[in-house]
Amino acid sequence: AQSVTQLGSHVSVSEGALVLLRCNYSSSVPPYLFWYVQYPNQGLQLLLKYTSAATLVKGINGFEAEFKKSETSFHLTKPSAHMSDAAEYFCAVSGGSNYKLTFGKGTLLTVNP
Amino acid sequence: NAGVTQTPKFQVLKTGQSMTLQCAQDMNHEYMSWYRQDPGMGLRLIHYSVGAGITDQGEVPNGYNVSRSTTEDFPLRLLSAAPSQTSVYFCASSREDSGNTIYFGEGSWLTVV
Repeated sequence: AQSVTQLGSHVSVSEGALVLLRCNYSSSVPPYLFWYVQYPNQGLQLLLKYTSAATLVKGINGFEAEFKKSETSFHLTKPSAHMSDAAEYFCAVSGGSNYKLTFGKGTLLTVNP
Repeated sequence: NAGVTQTPKFQVLKTGQSMTLQCAQDMNHEYMSWYRQDPGMGLRLIHYSVGAGITDQGEVPNGYNVSRSTTEDFPLRLLSAAPSQTSVYFCASSREDSGNTIYFGEGSWLTVV
């Protein structure tokens, strides 16, 4: 069994500020972890993924995430927010299978000028 | 490369009507899945397939039917649409190797009135 908890359904930051979106997971097997972004009325775009290689994963658009097994976390960060980062972000876990993703409920990121 | 193609993109149905959401992929992926996205719920797995002729239920299968007669296609059927099936539907495909990228279609917006 696997589950994902995204802390904060809505995060608001100022342009240029640090972005931190939180994700905690549970999995009965070593997990694969993903962050997806969804812009309004569009599909899902993969930001980054953890597949048991380096624990610090760099993705597109300046985002990165760190896998911390002891904390069962996979938080997403970006040093400096840009207006174009405003979107909904989803954390997902795949517990060993590549066809059954379990998603968190999403975090809506608002970037204020 | 077309990737994962979903049709239609938008559809309005009346309660009780039936319809099929089409999904096709041209990457020779073994795995295909259907998810629905509802506000505040993230994405939830409806049905999935690990190969032609093999399908199984996900988290929210009631009211939906699937079949997989070819590797390329994985249609989702609504036999008698209900307002509770108003949602955004995403098809996904991936290869067997765990941790590989899961590709999503652009989504189908379905409204049942």
